[in-house]
Amino acid sequence: NAGVTQTPKFQVLKTGQSMTLQCAQDMNHEYMSWYRQDPGMGLRLIHYSVGAGITDQGEVPNGYNVSRSTTEDFPLRLLSAAPSQTSVYFCASSYDASGRGTQYFGPGTRLLVL
Amino acid sequence: DAKTTQPPSMDCAEGRAANLPCNHSTISGNEYVYWYRQIHSQGPQYIIHGLKNNETNEMASLIITEDRKSSTLILPHATLRDTAVYYCIVRAFNYGQNFVFGPGTRLSVLP
Repeated sequence: NAGVTQTPKFQVLKTGQSMTLQCAQDMNHEYMSWYRQDPGMGLRLIHYSVGAGITDQGEVPNGYNVSRSTTEDFPLRLLSAAPSQTSVYFCASSYDASGRGTQYFGPGTRLLVL
Repeated sequence: DAKTTQPPSMDCAEGRAANLPCNHSTISGNEYVYWYRQIHSQGPQYIIHGLKNNETNEMASLIITEDRKSSTLILPHATLRDTAVYYCIVRAFNYGQNFVFGPGTRLSVLP
C-alpha cells in the first residue's frame, strides 16, 4: 500500500490564483481530513469527510472547498489564494470515522502564496 | 474536546528514558488520550492511545493517572531519531469528533 499520498509537494501561487491540492489513500478508509500547519503551531483542521459524498467544515474552512466523490480521493481547492494561506497542508485518513482507527498522515504540501 | 497542556520543550540523553507529561484536567469519561509525533516537517505519526489503563506497544508506554487528569508518554530508550514534536490529544470515539493538535512538546534527544 502507498498509504496517503499528496501532490504536489511544493507550490508557489500568486494572490488570486486558484489551485487544487490532491490527496489519495489506498487503504479503503472512510474518514479523510485536511489540516494546515503554520510555523511553530500545531495542526488546524480545515475540512473533513466521513465517507464518499459527505463533507463538513473544521476549525478554519474559509477560503477552501472540498468534495468527496470517491472513497480514495479528497481534493482541497483554494478558490482565490491569499498570502494568509501560505502554510503546509496535510491530508489524513482513518478507517473509522468514530476515531477508533489510527490516523495516517500524508507527507504534506508546502504552499507559498505571493 | 478537552484541552491539553504540554511543556514546550524537553531534552533527553540518548539511551535514557524520555518522559513526556501532559495535563488534561477537563477530560471527559469517554475521551481517550492519544499521542502523535512529528519529525521535522513530515506528517504526524501515531504512537499510542489509551482510556484509563496503562498501555504499551513497540514504540512507547502510556501511563494515565487514576483520576485521568494527566498522562505521561515514555520512550524507554530514546534515540536521536526520536527527536520530534510530540502531541498529546484527547478525543472521544464519536463520529464528527476531530483531533485537535496543540503546539506539542519539542523533544531533543542529545548524544
